[in-house]
Amino acid sequence: EIVMTQSPATLSVSPGERATLSCRASQSVSSNLAWYQQKPGQASRLLIHGATTRATGIPARFSGSGSGTEFTLTISSLQSEDFAVYYCQQYNNWPVTFGGGTKVEIK
Amino acid sequence: QVQLVQSGAEVKKPGASVKVSCQAFGYPFTNYGITWVRQAPGQGLEWMGWISGDNGNENYAQKLQGRVIMTTDTSTNTAYLELRSLRSDDTAVYYCARAPEEWELDAFDLWGQGTMVTVSS
Repeated sequence: EIVMTQSPATLSVSPGERATLSCRASQSVSSNLAWYQQKPGQASRLLIHGATTRATGIPARFSGSGSGTEFTLTISSLQSEDFAVYYCQQYNNWPVTFGGGTKVEIK
Repeated sequence: QVQLVQSGAEVKKPGASVKVSCQAFGYPFTNYGITWVRQAPGQGLEWMGWISGDNGNENYAQKLQGRVIMTTDTSTNTAYLELRSLRSDDTAVYYCARAPEEWELDAFDLWGQGTMVTVSS
C-alpha cells in the first residue's frame, strides 16, 4: 500500500501568518490527493481534492499544490478557526491511505 | 442539513462484537456509498471498507476480512458497521464518510462526528 508521510508533525504559527504543510507519497498518486481538517469532537471537513481544487464552501486562503509524490497545503493567513489537525489522503490506489497528520497550533 | 450522524460511544469486552450506525440526512442516500475509517488513540486514519448505498455491494480492507460486516438500511438511510471478535487494538474512534456509489476512488466529502469504541476487560 502507498505510505503517506506528512511534515512537520506540529506547526506553531501566529494568527495572520502563513502555514505550509507538506505531504509525500511513497509512489506516485498523480493528482489523486485530498486534504482534510479535523477538530476535536467535530466531523472532519474536506478542504482540497484533486490536489488543487477547493471543496465547496472552503475559503480561498486554503490552497493545494503538487502532483506525483510531493504535495503542499498552504493556509495564506491563519484565522483562529484554522487551528486544527490536517490530514492528506491518496485515492489513486486501493486501499486509500492517509498521512499521520500535521497539528497546526497557536504560537 | 446535509450530515452524517453516528451512534454513541461503546464499551465492549475482548471477544465481543460492536455495531455502529451512521444515519444520513439531507441527500439521496442511494446515490452514494458509505466508507468507514478508524483512528486509534494517537494514531493515524485507517480505511476499513466501503458499502454502496444503492445495492449493498461492499469491499473491505484485507486485514479486517472475516471480522467486519457493513450493511445499510435504505428505509432509514442508515449504514452500519459491525466488528466482531474485538481486541484491545480495535479501540478507536470510528468514522463514517460519504463515498461514491460505485466502487471507485474519490475523496470523501462528508464525514460523521465519530464514535468511540473502547475494548477493555
